[in-house]
Amino acid sequence: DAGVIQSPRHEVTEMGQEVTLRCKPISGHNSLFWYRQTMMRGLELLIYFNNNVPIDDSGMPEDRFSAKMPNASFSTLKIQPSEPRDSAVYFCASVGLAGAETQYFGPGTRLLVL
Amino acid sequence: DQQVKQNSPSLSVQEGRISILNCDYTNSMFDYFLWYKKYPAEGPTFLISISSIKDKNEDGRFTVFLNKSAKHLSLHIVPSQPGDSAVYFCAASVGTGGGADGLTFGKGTHLIIQP
Repeated sequence: DAGVIQSPRHEVTEMGQEVTLRCKPISGHNSLFWYRQTMMRGLELLIYFNNNVPIDDSGMPEDRFSAKMPNASFSTLKIQPSEPRDSAVYFCASVGLAGAETQYFGPGTRLLVL
Repeated sequence: DQQVKQNSPSLSVQEGRISILNCDYTNSMFDYFLWYKKYPAEGPTFLISISSIKDKNEDGRFTVFLNKSAKHLSLHIVPSQPGDSAVYFCAASVGTGGGADGLTFGKGTHLIIQP
């Protein structure tokens, strides 16, 4: 079992550039979550999907952020245009059956916007 | 407005002793609570959880206690081992979905086990 896969692991970009983060959930899992970790705010839920449908995107900070899940095995989080305050570690997590208690996290993408 | 608070950014405990990590929450709708452990450069991993209908859940060296009236939970690790050195996150969710709903996390407590 490969676990949740995220790419890239590290991303350095300049302000104003578009950034795309990718996530492959665990096969068979039907819920996917995007979180962001910063020193100031800790781990925050950005958006989550059930069966590829966005359920709650209230944590998405601004219109510059968008997320898609075109199929059960792939999701993207896009930031356009990126700003220095977007620098953080972005985690993707997935969970199987509704009611299952364990969200499995990927290793994260460390984003630095200069 | 932090709904889940971990007021101790760090905690240092001697190997073999008990580690107690604390967590407070403000949202009375939370009914499922979890602890995650995180090593550097890795994602958080699930450690232990408790439903609001219980006040204690034990798994080996790890025990979580829930005090609903005080909106407080704690994680006890006995005995503490060097491999327990990590950042511990308290998390909570609303609804019976538990982990199938979005989780609200605290900022974490960095536990350091000293030899």
